[in-house]
Amino acid sequence: EPEVTQTPSHQVTQMGQEVILRCVPISNHLYFYWYRQILGQKVEFLVSFYNNEISEKSEIFDDQFSVERPDGSNFTLKIRSTKLEDSAMYFCASRVAWETQYFGPGTRLLVL
Amino acid sequence: ELKVEQNPLFLSMQEGKNYTIYCNYSTTSDRLYWYRQDPGKSLESLFVLLSNGAVKQEGRLMASLDTKARLSTLHITAAVHDLSATYFCAVDITYTGNQFYFGTGTSLTVIP
Repeated sequence: EPEVTQTPSHQVTQMGQEVILRCVPISNHLYFYWYRQILGQKVEFLVSFYNNEISEKSEIFDDQFSVERPDGSNFTLKIRSTKLEDSAMYFCASRVAWETQYFGPGTRLLVL
Repeated sequence: ELKVEQNPLFLSMQEGKNYTIYCNYSTTSDRLYWYRQDPGKSLESLFVLLSNGAVKQEGRLMASLDTKARLSTLHITAAVHDLSATYFCAVDITYTGNQFYFGTGTSLTVIP
């Protein structure tokens, strides 16, 4: 069964460094999403992407964040200058249309 | 400010008992989703509710949506230990269907 994949599974970085989180959505899906979940808390919407552009973004998704779909398969989230409070699990998700979203396994980011 | 609130936040119940989790949201939406998350894992889709009065059932779980009351319920029938997990509702709040807000989560523990 097709699934969303994410790499790396874990990433440790120093504050102020740039990180890129990678996702490969399910191949025939059209809508792509990034979420984050701070340990023990709810899932927070960051951004949605459709037709090669950002569709919606939350207040969390400030100028430090960017997304790209560079090659038609990968979907990346870049954090330019990480802060301690960026430490969280980051989930990528994709879907076809009004159906449910399929979530990847997540990348656990730790900023020191 | 949009709010998606679940109650209870924590639920401990004995096997064989019934219970209902509530998801209230503060904006107009007729698309609501339920997910399950096991500790340290990703989110698994349970139900997609796309209209007022929608009811879906799978095994011991049944979900419903009342868009006029801005309320969704997740009913658990004859709970078993395998249902222990955190359950999230998520509301789609834009016409384009591309911005989701998750509830606070309900951590369910089923005691043998």
